[in-house]
Amino acid sequence: AQSVTQLGSHVSVSEGALVLLRCNYSSSVPPYLFWYVQYPNQGLQLLLKYTSAATLVKGINGFEAEFKKSETSFHLTKPSAHMSDAAEYFCAVSGGLSSNTGKLIFGQGTTLQVKP
Amino acid sequence: EPEVTQTPSHQVTQMGQEVILRCVPISNHLYFYWYRQILGQKVEFLVSFYNNEISEKSEIFDDQFSVERPDGSNFTLKIRSTKLEDSAMYFCASRPSTGQGHAGSEQYFGPGTRLTVT
Repeated sequence: AQSVTQLGSHVSVSEGALVLLRCNYSSSVPPYLFWYVQYPNQGLQLLLKYTSAATLVKGINGFEAEFKKSETSFHLTKPSAHMSDAAEYFCAVSGGLSSNTGKLIFGQGTTLQVKP
Repeated sequence: EPEVTQTPSHQVTQMGQEVILRCVPISNHLYFYWYRQILGQKVEFLVSFYNNEISEKSEIFDDQFSVERPDGSNFTLKIRSTKLEDSAMYFCASRPSTGQGHAGSEQYFGPGTRLTVT
């Protein structure tokens, strides 16, 4: 079965500092991996996705993530945090033999706080 | 830009009552999903729906739950007899038929319905 673990339920950074949100996955087959962001009172919005093309994936709002098979990781980074980045971030995995319906398996989520 | 909409934004109901949560997916999408998030917990898959039938459901999706696409635009989730533990945020999502296969294409999420069972 597939699973996702997000290390750190809360991350706090200063404005302008590096953002690093950690995600590790478990999958018996090559996974598809996603990062979603949720702003207060809104739905989940796709930041970026990995679907077996380039291992370094660039997304919206300056975010990127690198797929590392050897570490089973898909960490999300942004070089310089902005106040507007404060939100809840979810890592998710899809695909594999257990499902061909595209259902997403989510991690616990990480709340990013950006301090001025 | 097209978006998934959900109504109501907040629903309060008494234990044992039936509730229907409504979603309008993006118009040319063919795959539909319901997820839920209990406060403080992860987002969990409930059910996927394609070609007017359930294509996959989780263990959470027991006989108390049902889904329907009654008129080609709405996608509903019904809970027949609500329990306290059904209190959660319920998200609807949809995705188009094209893309990188079933599992690699993006799902578009609605803003959610917060269900409170008292």
